[in-house]
Amino acid sequence: DADVTQTPRNRITKTGKRIMLECSQTKGHDRMYWYRQDPGLGLRLIYYSFDVKDINKGEISDGYSVSRQAQAKFSLSLESAIPNQTALYFCATSDSSTRARHEQFFGPGTRLTVL
Amino acid sequence: RKEVEQDPGPFNVPEGATVAFNCTYSNSASQSFFWYRQDCRKEPKLLMSVYSSGNEDGRFTAQLNRASQYISLLIRDSKLSDSATYLCVANSGYSTLTFGKGTMLLVSP
Repeated sequence: DADVTQTPRNRITKTGKRIMLECSQTKGHDRMYWYRQDPGLGLRLIYYSFDVKDINKGEISDGYSVSRQAQAKFSLSLESAIPNQTALYFCATSDSSTRARHEQFFGPGTRLTVL
Repeated sequence: RKEVEQDPGPFNVPEGATVAFNCTYSNSASQSFFWYRQDCRKEPKLLMSVYSSGNEDGRFTAQLNRASQYISLLIRDSKLSDSATYLCVANSGYSTLTFGKGTMLLVSP
């Protein structure tokens, strides 16, 4: 089945460590997004990419970086993790070639805890 | 900052009840609107897109009022399995989406 997958699904790390979260998709979509979700704050956009050579900052990009290695892969890095980056992280995709180009499809999420 | 505002709830309703959620959006340039459903600690899943003329999918009806900048979702004949958080979403005008914080629905037997 065409899908959006995220690895790892759960991660516990310590302050100051570098962490990479990975997202892969088999949907053939060109656009990919990274969000974080915190209780009471909803989903907030971190970074997004409309194709392999395109990277854009979202609402809360400080402390994060991304890499779009291929159309199907979009990685999120925390260069030096801090406790307030503890959250549920979601990757999403969308297809700009369709009329429903704004519809986004989400991966299962990565639960990150920074101690 | 572009906002999408929702009543967080929870809305507690018995099985079989009809329940309605509203949300408002601040970005008058928004053209696309959606309702997503999110179960606890799971990913959001697209429930339905919201069209200007309104649209219906089984027990679910979505309406858009551009003049007042609000979106509604009506659920008829509520089922226990409808218990979830419902996210109201509007596109930002930059091909990104702005999500509301969600409205929690609890359907009881």
